[in-house]
Amino acid sequence: SQQGEEDPQALSIQEGENATMNCSYKTSINNLQWYRQNSGRGLVHLILIRSNEREKHSGRLRVTLDTSKKSSSLLITASRAADTASYFCATDVQYNTDKLIFGTGTRLQVFP
Amino acid sequence: NAGVTQTPKFQVLKTGQSMTLQCAQDMNHNSMYWYRQDPGMGLRLIYYSASEGTTDKGEVPNGYNVSRLNKREFSLRLESAAPSQTSVYFCASSARQGPFVHTFGSGTRLTVV
Repeated sequence: SQQGEEDPQALSIQEGENATMNCSYKTSINNLQWYRQNSGRGLVHLILIRSNEREKHSGRLRVTLDTSKKSSSLLITASRAADTASYFCATDVQYNTDKLIFGTGTRLQVFP
Repeated sequence: NAGVTQTPKFQVLKTGQSMTLQCAQDMNHNSMYWYRQDPGMGLRLIYYSASEGTTDKGEVPNGYNVSRLNKREFSLRLESAAPSQTSVYFCASSARQGPFVHTFGSGTRLTVV
C-alpha cells in the first residue's frame, strides 16, 4: 500500500503563480524527499527534509514537514512553464530503512 | 555522464514471452531498485538489492525475478509476460545508508499484448 498520498492529484496555474502540493504519510519516518518527473522521463531528486526539520528551502522550492500531522508540503514560487511535471513525495520508514515508498504524485501544469 | 542506464527503452512482448530488462549504474552505489509505474498508482517497488549478492522482494514481486550481477548491474526478468505487466519500469540506485536518495534511469516502456 502507498505510504504517501499527494494532494491535489492535478493542479493548473499560470506562470508567475505559486504552486502548493501536499503529501500525507502513514508511519513514522526518518526523512521525506520530493522528486520531479517530466513526461516520459525518470524521476529527479529535488529536496530532502529530515524528520527533525520543519522547513527547508532550495531556490524557488520550499518544503515543510509536520511530523505530528504526518504531512509535508512543497511550494514552488513564481512558477514557470518549465515547472510542468509530476511531483512525488517519498518516505523511508523508521526502523525499516532499506527502501523508499513513493506517493501517487501531483500533476502540475503551468500555462505561459 | 554518471548515472543509471536502462535498456531497452521500449519493448512489445506477446503474452507468454520472456525478456530481461537491464540496468547499470556508475555511481558506486550499493543499493539498486526496480519499480513499475502505472497511471494513478505512483511508483511501486518490485525488487531491490541492498548490496551486491542480496535481493529482496518489494510490494509487487509476483511474475518477476531479479539478478544482482555485480555492484554495477541489476537485471529484471519477466519469465512469462502477462498483459498485467504492461507498465513503465524504472531502475534506480542509492547509497546503502539513509536517506537513500534515488538516482533513476530513464525507464523502459513495456507493452504486453
